Amino acid sequence: SAVISQKPSRDICQRGTSLTIQCQVDSQVTMMFWYRQQPGQSLTLIATANQGSEATYESGFVIDKFPISRPNLTFSTLTVSNMSPEDSSIYLCSVEGLAGETQYFGPGTRLLVL
Amino acid sequence: GNSVTQMEGPVTLSEEAFLTINCTYTATGYPSLFWYVQYPGEGLQLLLKATKADDKGSNKGFEATYRKETTSFHLEKGSVQVSDSAVYFCALTQDTGRRALTFGSGTRLQVQP
Repeated sequence: SAVISQKPSRDICQRGTSLTIQCQVDSQVTMMFWYRQQPGQSLTLIATANQGSEATYESGFVIDKFPISRPNLTFSTLTVSNMSPEDSSIYLCSVEGLAGETQYFGPGTRLLVL
Repeated sequence: GNSVTQMEGPVTLSEEAFLTINCTYTATGYPSLFWYVQYPGEGLQLLLKATKADDKGSNKGFEATYRKETTSFHLEKGSVQVSDSAVYFCALTQDTGRRALTFGSGTRLQVQP
């Protein structure tokens, strides 16, 4: 399985500011995804990060709020823009394994917005 | 669309008890099915998977069988330990098209000594 790292691991931010979360993989992968896990909840897909083109967003998530970059096959960033306390969540990136059927997750970024 | 339904938690068991966490799904085609585990303060780890009907996934004493006739993928363990205390998520991916995971709501397991 791929080794996935995320930065920062946690942060406390003020409302109205933005935070960029980085996801780095130790091998080239085709599919990368960003998920959100609100407190005590399950995971919800934010978007699929496509290399060389715009991300594909799920219903309820928009590019202005969650811009995503995917400059190459090992790296992606998710920005949480103009934050409010409702954005307090764990943000996780995941990648699809070589066999194409299993996703592996990074350790997550725990965000608290005050 | 796809959906996954898990039994409500928390599930509280004594050490060495038998565990079942129910999971049923709705999907078109032939999805792949997964169980992920999230230990306190940690990210998600893949526990086991099954990619076709009647497949049995197993890992660390946990098992789940892909039952297409009942659209189920129940998680079982014969003898739980305190260290198994975690949140367990059932999930699926479609066999074609959208490759992202659809998760169930998660079931918290608490094992008491």
